[in-house]
Amino acid sequence: GAVVSQHPSWVICKSGTSVKIECRSLDFQATTMFWYRQFPKQSLMLMATSNEGSKATYEQGVEKDKFLINHASLTLSTLTVTSAHPEDSSFYICSARPGQANEKLFFGSGTQLSVL
Amino acid sequence: RKEVEQDPGPFNVPEGATVAFNCTYSNSASQSFFWYRQDCRKEPKLLMSVYSSGNEDGRFTAQLNRASQYISLLIRDSKLSDSATYLCVVSDSSASKIIFGSGTRLSIRP
Repeated sequence: GAVVSQHPSWVICKSGTSVKIECRSLDFQATTMFWYRQFPKQSLMLMATSNEGSKATYEQGVEKDKFLINHASLTLSTLTVTSAHPEDSSFYICSARPGQANEKLFFGSGTQLSVL
Repeated sequence: RKEVEQDPGPFNVPEGATVAFNCTYSNSASQSFFWYRQDCRKEPKLLMSVYSSGNEDGRFTAQLNRASQYISLLIRDSKLSDSATYLCVVSDSSASKIIFGSGTRLSIRP
């Protein structure tokens, strides 16, 4: 099946630093990738939809200047958490789909971010 | 009202039991439905798609009721390894909007 690689798996950083998370589709091209955040015992919350070659679409309440998304190629999307604060500590997961609408989503393994 | 609602559980059932849970959705234009399984601090993994006619995959059966706008998941002969959170996923016809339910926690006890 389709494989999505997410890196790093976990990161610990000091408050105020920026953290970049990568999401790669290894065996398919993904014009669209999705970024989610999940707090403990809560569901996945869509943060933004990453579109290759164009600006990402952010969900309401998600600051685009804080969560920078770059989707420069058909196999790579990055999420940068800028000036991270402890409240940004969460589990971040990306997903992508290999085809057109209604195709199944495949997820990266997630990144646990802890901001001290 | 949430677009996709699930009973958060937890459902605590003995090994070998049959367990079922539902997921309701509010958008009548929704076209695609899925059940995902998520283990603690892991990524969700597709369990099965849900088709209009209902579908079965081993011990798992998924049903769709468009009139009442819900989907269901039935697990027969439950195993300890079935313990996880089950996420209901609903998308519109273009899959431009994909909504996750909050998940139902299932715990199977020996």
